[in-house]
Amino acid sequence: GAVVSQHPSWVICKSGTSVKIECRSLDFQATTMFWYRQFPKQSLMLMATSNEGSKATYEQGVEKDKFLINHASLTLSTLTVTSAHPEDSSFYICSASDYEQYFGPGTRLTVT
Amino acid sequence: TQLLEQSPQFLSIQEGENLTVYCNSSSVFSSLQWYRQEPGEGPVLLVTVVTGGEVKKLKRLTFQFGDARKDSSLHITAAQPGDTGLYLCAGSAGSNTGKLIFGQGTTLQVKP
Repeated sequence: GAVVSQHPSWVICKSGTSVKIECRSLDFQATTMFWYRQFPKQSLMLMATSNEGSKATYEQGVEKDKFLINHASLTLSTLTVTSAHPEDSSFYICSASDYEQYFGPGTRLTVT
Repeated sequence: TQLLEQSPQFLSIQEGENLTVYCNSSSVFSSLQWYRQEPGEGPVLLVTVVTGGEVKKLKRLTFQFGDARKDSSLHITAAQPGDTGLYLCAGSAGSNTGKLIFGQGTTLQVKP
């Protein structure tokens, strides 16, 4: 089956620093990748849609300058949380799509 | 705006009991997916239903897509503690964005 990886699986950073999260499709090429945010015991909230070679499309209310998304190749998308604050602490999940969406294992971000 | 109403949001049952989770919308979806997610992990795709009235079975899990493709249900027979987790329904609007619309999720706890 399709496999999507994320790195790192967890990260702790200090307030004001930036953190990069990688999302890779390991055995298929994904022209579209999606980034989600999830709070405990809640559903997934779509942050942005990432298309290879073009700018990401952000959902309403998501700050483009804070959550930088780059989709450099058909197998890699990155999410950079800039100038992180404690309220950015969350579980970030990516997915890669061919016909269906396949989800990565998630990245737990804690900002202290 | 397309919405998926998922219910119940929380369910705690004893091992061996049956349960049903519902996903309802006023909008038509070209397909609907059911995912299961465990704490600290990404969602895992259980099934995709595409045709109105379609019924799919996965061991003790039965998935149904409504005739009008606006609703779906997940029925678990003789629940086991290993069924514990967050169940998510997600609908594909069929647009070329590939975006999924998620329900609120159902947290299921099966007690031994």
